[in-house]
Amino acid sequence: ETGVTQTPRHLVMGMTNKKSLKCEQHLGHNAMYWYKQSAKKPLELMFVYSLEERVENNSVPSRFSPECPNSSHLFLHLHTLQPEDSALYLCASSLGDTQYFGPGTRLTVL
Amino acid sequence: GQQVMQIPQYQHVQEGEDFTTYCNSSTTLSNIQWYKQRPGGHPVFLIQLVKSGEVKKQKRLTFQFGEAKKNSSLHITATQTTDVGTYFCAGPNTGNQFYFGTGTSLTVIP
Repeated sequence: ETGVTQTPRHLVMGMTNKKSLKCEQHLGHNAMYWYKQSAKKPLELMFVYSLEERVENNSVPSRFSPECPNSSHLFLHLHTLQPEDSALYLCASSLGDTQYFGPGTRLTVL
Repeated sequence: GQQVMQIPQYQHVQEGEDFTTYCNSSTTLSNIQWYKQRPGGHPVFLIQLVKSGEVKKQKRLTFQFGEAKKNSSLHITATQTTDVGTYFCAGPNTGNQFYFGTGTSLTVIP
């Protein structure tokens, strides 16, 4: 266990649905990250929050909307997704450089 | 843009054989980290190297950071079935942007 939890672990949604992914850490870390991991592709960094402020947004489509209400929680709001958005979405947190990952949410978009 | 490439992409070895994965960054990294992701799991931090030319060992695993801080290697001696997984290098560049490598997937045949 790394101390980073993600819910739900699995999610199936239609293209017109709206859903949210949740990430929680109680490690005292001050940065949180969203990554997308697709089959046969490297980890893609989506968003970085440091001290609850978004510091990086790597050209992610607007159908993905992050929210970081406090240093322990991170959300990824999803709406009107496409089938190619199906992937494993990993949350991570860090205090220095080392990142601690959650178990991920396996997302399938039908 | 910056790239962090790993070779090989896939490696199948007989149990007991050695294994090496190589990591090459297009720019200098402040430090290099290695992560292991078991099948169906999430990346787990293994080690961090900071100094140019640094070598660290963890039991059967040997990690090296190149003199120019642009490449690194992970060598596993006498692989075991528990070594199965994908190994990622990662690190921040001098601009503090964090990148993951493309990963090497290791299969160990009993």
